[in-house]
Amino acid sequence: EDKVVQSPLSLVVHEGDTVTLNCSYEVTNFRSLLWYKQEKKAPTFLFMLTSSGIEKKSGRLSSILDKKELFSILNITATQTGDSAIYLCAVNYGGATNKLIFGTGTLLAVQP
Amino acid sequence: DVKVTQSSRYLVKRTGEKVFLECVQDMDHENMFWYRQDPGLGLRLIYFSYDVKMKEKGDIPEGYSVSREKKERFSLILESASTNQTSMYLCASSFAGAGHEQYFGPGTRLTVT
Repeated sequence: EDKVVQSPLSLVVHEGDTVTLNCSYEVTNFRSLLWYKQEKKAPTFLFMLTSSGIEKKSGRLSSILDKKELFSILNITATQTGDSAIYLCAVNYGGATNKLIFGTGTLLAVQP
Repeated sequence: DVKVTQSSRYLVKRTGEKVFLECVQDMDHENMFWYRQDPGLGLRLIYFSYDVKMKEKGDIPEGYSVSREKKERFSLILESASTNQTSMYLCASSFAGAGHEQYFGPGTRLTVT
């Protein structure tokens, strides 16, 4: 059975801390791995990773994929209260249909 | 900017009622999806559609049906709402072809009493 597992389930840090969120997967027909950020509304797209070892970066956020060990990490440096959200990891297994299987998410709370 | 809109942010219905949730996207996306999101279970795919009038069951289709009569609009129907269908419902859309992310609507929080 295909699955995506995220850890930790929740995390509380202080502003300025660096956090690492984990996502492991066992998915047949893997096409890509995606990260989303969900505040109290629609999940918003962060990164799509298809190749091992190539870091994607956007400001204080970065992510990397290891297709041999079947995991990805999302790093957030110098955290801010605005980073507080649920971070969702998903794997595209549907090819042209772009169907995704999601992990349960990591709830990040950044305290001032 | 891609926009995916859903007809209601909050909805309260009674057990046994027929419920319609509507989703509209403005980016000419071929694929559209309906998910429900529950604490501890994440997002689970109910149905998706890859073209007008075309649909496929997702992982949890029981108790739901869908309709896609126009490319931009995808409706989720609860034929006879039950309390275990109380949830957050998220619609998403994407272009066809591998390598396209899904864009999500703001969600509808449905409570069935």
